[in-house]
Amino acid sequence: SQQGEEDPQALSIQEGENATMNCSYKTSINNLQWYRQNSGRGLVHLILIRSNEREKHSGRLRVTLDTSKKSSSLLITASRAADTASYFCATGDSGGGADGLTFGKGTHLIIQP
Amino acid sequence: SAVISQKPSRDICQRGTSLTIQCQVDSQVTMMFWYRQQPGQSLTLIATANQGSEATYESGFVIDKFPISRPNLTFSTLTVSNLSPEDSSIYLCSATGSIDTQYFGPGTRLTVL
Repeated sequence: SQQGEEDPQALSIQEGENATMNCSYKTSINNLQWYRQNSGRGLVHLILIRSNEREKHSGRLRVTLDTSKKSSSLLITASRAADTASYFCATGDSGGGADGLTFGKGTHLIIQP
Repeated sequence: SAVISQKPSRDICQRGTSLTIQCQVDSQVTMMFWYRQQPGQSLTLIATANQGSEATYESGFVIDKFPISRPNLTFSTLTVSNLSPEDSSIYLCSATGSIDTQYFGPGTRLTVL
């Protein structure tokens, strides 16, 4: 069964605005990873945050993790049309990449030009 | 980061036949995994491809339907057997090295008629 639940399931914003997506999970984790998928293609890894971290940045991306609430958020600032994609969070239970990931249902983000 | 390729990128198969998907990583990796993404859905882990031993399957997936090989540290195959229209999905392989980040191949889009 799916561990993560993203919300919203779909998000449409204007170019230049910020987009925030949320992810909740159910069990203890070692790490949480965010991915982007364009039109049913392969997944692009965006950022990994470990269970002992609270916030990470990468370019226009900001990820937070609240293990007490079992939730994470992905913020994309100054959105661009090229950010239109589906975004997934995925949790890893073990360190060292030993286990496969459990994916959330994803958020479909549309950036209106 | 690991660069992962898959062959074929897409295929259309007849009911009752089988399709073998190849996954090649450009560097030696510790773990390789296979996922399925059904139309409009998120990713579900099928199995962990173990080098030199039998794959470890997730609940709901069995070896007779999804035989997996991993003869070395950079290559794995997934066969989807006795195809039915319900097997129409994107199949993705992924890999991790010494860190937790899991990289994905571009996926194989399978359509079963």
